[in-house]
Amino acid sequence: GAGVSQSPRYKVTKRGQDVALRCDPISGHVSLYWYRQALGQGPEFLTYFNYEAQQDKSGLPNDRFSAERPEGSISTLTIQRTEQRDSAMYRCASSSGRGAEAFFGQGTRLTVV
Amino acid sequence: QKEVEQNSGPLSVPEGAIASLNCTYSDRGSQSFFWYRQYSGKSPELIMFIYSNGDKEDGRFTAQLNKASQYVSLLIRDSQPSDSATYLCAVSRRNQGGKLIFGQGTELSVKP
Repeated sequence: GAGVSQSPRYKVTKRGQDVALRCDPISGHVSLYWYRQALGQGPEFLTYFNYEAQQDKSGLPNDRFSAERPEGSISTLTIQRTEQRDSAMYRCASSSGRGAEAFFGQGTRLTVV
Repeated sequence: QKEVEQNSGPLSVPEGAIASLNCTYSDRGSQSFFWYRQYSGKSPELIMFIYSNGDKEDGRFTAQLNKASQYVSLLIRDSQPSDSATYLCAVSRRNQGGKLIFGQGTELSVKP
């Protein structure tokens, strides 16, 4: 696609429910990153992939968070048993490789009520 | 201490003035340095990157890096109201695959 596409743009869920956030990177981009951004703060790293391999998941807050990129393209970030503190903007970025510019998607605004 | 620190602002400058945005980082292993601009409600977009000590100029923007002082800055000359946004400083380390550590961002307001 022309840019990084994330869906849904907005997600409201009840506490305790599971949610899956999707990221479709720029075609051909090897690296895919997930960030979380709270209001008034910079993006906070969660995890990243090169192709289908998850290279670093050190930023995932706890074991309720997981991510996959099974075919090296689309990625899904899953949050199980959501809590109110999970409410944030979740951003995906992709790049053509190490050191290359990372392009961000429009994000998914998650609200846990 | 946060790994990447910026003054949150807001920084207010008159149209036509030079805006100076500053960032410090704590990890001496940081290798690459980026400035992203984020308009309200939008996603971050890269405007400058710098790897070596010294200045790097691109149009009205100049990035400055001083690794000894662990300091990065962004100068915006002839500031325009359209430059009003939050500016995010980000760093990446060697062998971490492009993972970015962001500061909290500095809000810039350019007054006509």
